[in-house]
Amino acid sequence: QTVVTQEPSLTVSPGGTVTLTCTSNTGAVTNAYSPNWFQQKPGHSPRALIFGATNKHSWTPARFSGSLLRGKAALTLSGVLPEDEAHYYCLLYYGDAWVFGGGTKLTVL
Amino acid sequence: QVQLWESGPGLVESSGTLSLTCAISGDSVRSRNWWSWVRQSPGKGLEWIGEISPTEETKYNPSLRGRVTISLDKSRNQFSLELTSLSAADTAVYYCVRVLIDFQGFPDWGQGTLVTVSS
Repeated sequence: QTVVTQEPSLTVSPGGTVTLTCTSNTGAVTNAYSPNWFQQKPGHSPRALIFGATNKHSWTPARFSGSLLRGKAALTLSGVLPEDEAHYYCLLYYGDAWVFGGGTKLTVL
Repeated sequence: QVQLWESGPGLVESSGTLSLTCAISGDSVRSRNWWSWVRQSPGKGLEWIGEISPTEETKYNPSLRGRVTISLDKSRNQFSLELTSLSAADTAVYYCVRVLIDFQGFPDWGQGTLVTVSS
């Protein structure tokens, strides 16, 4: 069974930098997994942030960046704002199916 | 601007069948993009259900294979989800999503519709 793992929770101070990661139990995450990242706030639909590991959508704030980091997909927030408090989900492609990570609850405190 | 709207019954019986439809504006099911369903159980994370191409090629979550069918209605510009043999574990908010071709992302989501499976 394919399992995608994210940190359950992280805390960051306003103005700080935080990196969320996404790992696969099948091995190192590469561009072939086409990592996507989403932000979800309570009561709202998910909002797409990143596709193809590093590519931003037109609405993605500049403080969000995606990368591949030591065999993981990563989402880095730089200069965190209080409004960035949310759940973040990664999504990986396995050839004939997509699998979401369990999500990271990011607290800005 | 692409918009998606889910519709269907909010309450379905256990062991029954869930049927949802997603209406699309701003794009066509005949375009090169794919169309997907994602669900979220109350207080839980996101789960990819499956997707369909404009040529009606389908891909499904292995954990749901055998119970799930996604189809296109080209005349009405919408796509649908059918999930059979329901249990309480299928209670969730169901989202329809536009998936851009060539792995260009999942940019457009419906507002979601809550489906409760009653015992």
